This record gives sequence, structure tokens and C-alpha cells, in this order.
Amino acid sequence: SQQGEEDPQALSIQEGENATMNCSYKTSINNLQWYRQNSGRGLVHLILIRSNEREKHSGRLRVTLDTSKKSSSLLITASRAADTASYFCATGYGQNFVFGPGTRLSVLP
Amino acid sequence: DAGVIQSPRHEVTEMGQEVTLRCKPISGHNSLFWYRQTMMRGLELLIYFNNNVPIDDSGMPEDRFSAKMPNASFSTLKIQPSEPRDSAVYFCASSIRDTEAFFGQGTRLTVV
Repeated sequence: SQQGEEDPQALSIQEGENATMNCSYKTSINNLQWYRQNSGRGLVHLILIRSNEREKHSGRLRVTLDTSKKSSSLLITASRAADTASYFCATGYGQNFVFGPGTRLSVLP
Repeated sequence: DAGVIQSPRHEVTEMGQEVTLRCKPISGHNSLFWYRQTMMRGLELLIYFNNNVPIDDSGMPEDRFSAKMPNASFSTLKIQPSEPRDSAVYFCASSIRDTEAFFGQGTRLTVV
């Protein structure tokens, strides 16, 4: 399967702590993206990292990509209650995106 | 731009009825995707179009499902006849090649 797999499936942390989620995939990719989904809403794009990039930042988000290990990580620093959501990695193959099952993040106040 | 627009937001129908979901992608985007999300199976790609042409429909579960994109600004996903196991949230997304996808708010379908 081309599908990425996020790890852990669920994560619960205190506000202010950092949250790290991982994504592993199986085949070569063009890019890898992270999305957030709040309950009952559509997915929102967070960040895209291309296969020739190793690290990318956007505000409190930091994404790394290791193509040799076929893995990526998403770090959210100084988490807030509003970060509570499901986070998905999507591996890009040409024009297609394949989503993993997601990590459910709960940030406790 | 208003983003990807899906209609209806909610649909409740009886088993055996035809259901049509609609999507208006972001203007200028040349790729359009239909996804289905359930608790059991997560987010599944059903079909995607590039420049209005279906590229990969291998995710369409059965012949009861069909999708069309008659022009760059409109797509439909039809289920005929509908079954209770089709109950899910259906998302439409659009993108410009090889960039991020923008998702609509989804259509929550309940088949009773």
C-alpha cells in the first residue's frame, strides 16, 4: 500500500508542551504534506515538504523528512488547547495524495 | 475565492434512493479529488480528475458509484442505489498540480 501510517494513533499532552507525530510510508514520493482536521470539519493544509527538502518550518510547526527511512515528523511547539484535532500525513505521488489514518491529538488546558 | 464548495452539507436518504453530491472547486485548480471518510476505514480516495478527465477511479467501491466533471468548475458524485453502508462524510478537494489540496467542508450522508 502507498498509504502513510501516522504514529501514535492518539496523543494527549498538557498545554504548553510539544507534540510530535510521525509518519512512515513505503514507496518513493514527490512530496509529503500534513493536514489538520477539527471534529466535523474539512481538512486544512498545514505544510508541504518536497522530497528534496529535509526540514521546513511554519510558525509553531516543524516538519522533517527522511527519504532514506521513508519517514516524516511533525512537531508542534508550545501546544494550545486549540491544537486539539486529528493530524494526517498525505504522501504525494504525481497528482495523487494518499492519506494515513491520522493521529488524534488532545491538548489539555 | 470562497474555497471548495460542496452541497448539500447534510443528506439523509432512504436505502435504494439515488444520491447526488456536488462540488465546485477553486477557480484555476486543475485537479479534483473525491474522498470518503468513515471511522472504520479512515479517509479513502474514491476518484480524482485532472483537467476534467478521470485519472484514477480505482477507489470507487462499486458500480453504484459514479463521478463526473463536465467542466472545470463543477463535479458530481452519484450513488445509485444507495445503501446504509454508504453512510459517511464525503469530501471534495482541489489543487494545482503537485501542491497542497484544499478541502470542502464535506457532505455528511446518512442512508437509512
